Amino acid sequence: DAMVIQNPRYQVTQFGKPVTLSCSQTLNHNVMYWYQQKSSQAPKLLFHYYDKDFNNEADTPDNFQSRRPNTSFCFLDIRSPGLGDAAMYLCATSRDRSYWQYFGPGTRLTVT
Amino acid sequence: QKEVEQNSGPLSVPEGAIASLNCTYSDRGSQSFFWYRQYSGKSPELIMSIYSNGDKEDGRFTAQLNKASQYVSLLIRDSQPSDSATYLCAVKNNQGGKLIFGQGTELSVKP
Repeated sequence: DAMVIQNPRYQVTQFGKPVTLSCSQTLNHNVMYWYQQKSSQAPKLLFHYYDKDFNNEADTPDNFQSRRPNTSFCFLDIRSPGLGDAAMYLCATSRDRSYWQYFGPGTRLTVT
Repeated sequence: QKEVEQNSGPLSVPEGAIASLNCTYSDRGSQSFFWYRQYSGKSPELIMSIYSNGDKEDGRFTAQLNKASQYVSLLIRDSQPSDSATYLCAVKNNQGGKLIFGQGTELSVKP
């Protein structure tokens, strides 16, 4: 089945220790998004790729970076995680910017 | 003013009743409107999309859009305990395609 896969589903990292979250998709969608969602809050867009074109949100901290080496994969790098970065990280894809977004299962990040 | 606002909730309805979830948005240029359901600890799941004024029905779900009033709603008929979740309203305009989410309304359907 075509889908969006996120790995790992649960990640525990230490304060300041770099961590990478991955997302892959078999939908062949052009757009891939990364969201951060904290408890009882709406998902917050961090950045998105339209094909290879990277679009950063103005309020996304520099601590967060992303890579999209090919159509299928996208990575979220957190260079120095702080306690405030503990959240669910959601990857989503869309055929085009005007279409609905399909979410992966998310990665729950804990920072100790 | 928030860009997308929803009922604060939680909304509690008895099993079999109609649940009504409301959402208003501020950007008149918005073109696409979505309702996502999110179970606790899970990711959002698209349940309805609507693009033009009026009603759109899919099974027990009906989405209603009124662009003049900048209002979109979701009705769930014959509510079931399995409908208990947070419902996120999301709005998109076609410039840039950014999806703006509301804070979500928590729905609880009591047996």
